[in-house]
Amino acid sequence: SAVISQKPSRDICQRGTSLTIQCQVDSQVTMMFWYRQQPGQSLTLIATANQGSEATYESGFVIDKFPISRPNLTFSTLTVSNMSPEDSSIYLCSVEGIQGGRTEAFFGQGTRLTVV
Amino acid sequence: AQKVTQAQTEISVVEKEDVTLDCVYETRDTTYYLFWYKQPPSGELVFLIRRNSFDEQNEISGRYSWNFQKSTSSFNFTITASQVVDSAVYFCALSEKDNFNKFYFGSGTKLNVKP
Repeated sequence: SAVISQKPSRDICQRGTSLTIQCQVDSQVTMMFWYRQQPGQSLTLIATANQGSEATYESGFVIDKFPISRPNLTFSTLTVSNMSPEDSSIYLCSVEGIQGGRTEAFFGQGTRLTVV
Repeated sequence: AQKVTQAQTEISVVEKEDVTLDCVYETRDTTYYLFWYKQPPSGELVFLIRRNSFDEQNEISGRYSWNFQKSTSSFNFTITASQVVDSAVYFCALSEKDNFNKFYFGSGTKLNVKP
């Protein structure tokens, strides 16, 4: 399985500021995915990040608000810009990995963000 | 459009009871994948199972079993002899053949197992 490390694990931020979340994988992966889980809600895909190209954003998410970097095959960052309390969520990174001889999706432990 | 419905918001059982978590999905794709993930209080998502649309065999893994019924678009999850450590939020999810990691998650079912 892929081992994913996210930093920070949690943070409390002031509104109007920005936070950059890091996702490090222990193996090279083609695509990395960023999800948001608002309090008490399910997970929603924000964007797909391929190395060497612009991230692809889902409906309702824009690059100005959630800029993503993907400098190499093991690392990505998601920035939450100009934060408001509505951005308080868990942000999760996901990649494909191998488990039991099959390709499966794996998730980081998440970054729990609170905006005050 | 793809959609996953988990109608049970929260379930409480006493340890050793069996419990079934329901999942109903909608998709126009003929090839798709169904998943169950566990999210304990610590927040990480733990992969439990993936089922391909062309494989309707039910699966058992220890105390866990999954019942996939294409005729009713359901992929239900049963925990036998539940334990306190099973307490978590469980998510059912769907992904597409051409976009494997693009998940459509259900709203989750919170399972409380009391001693």
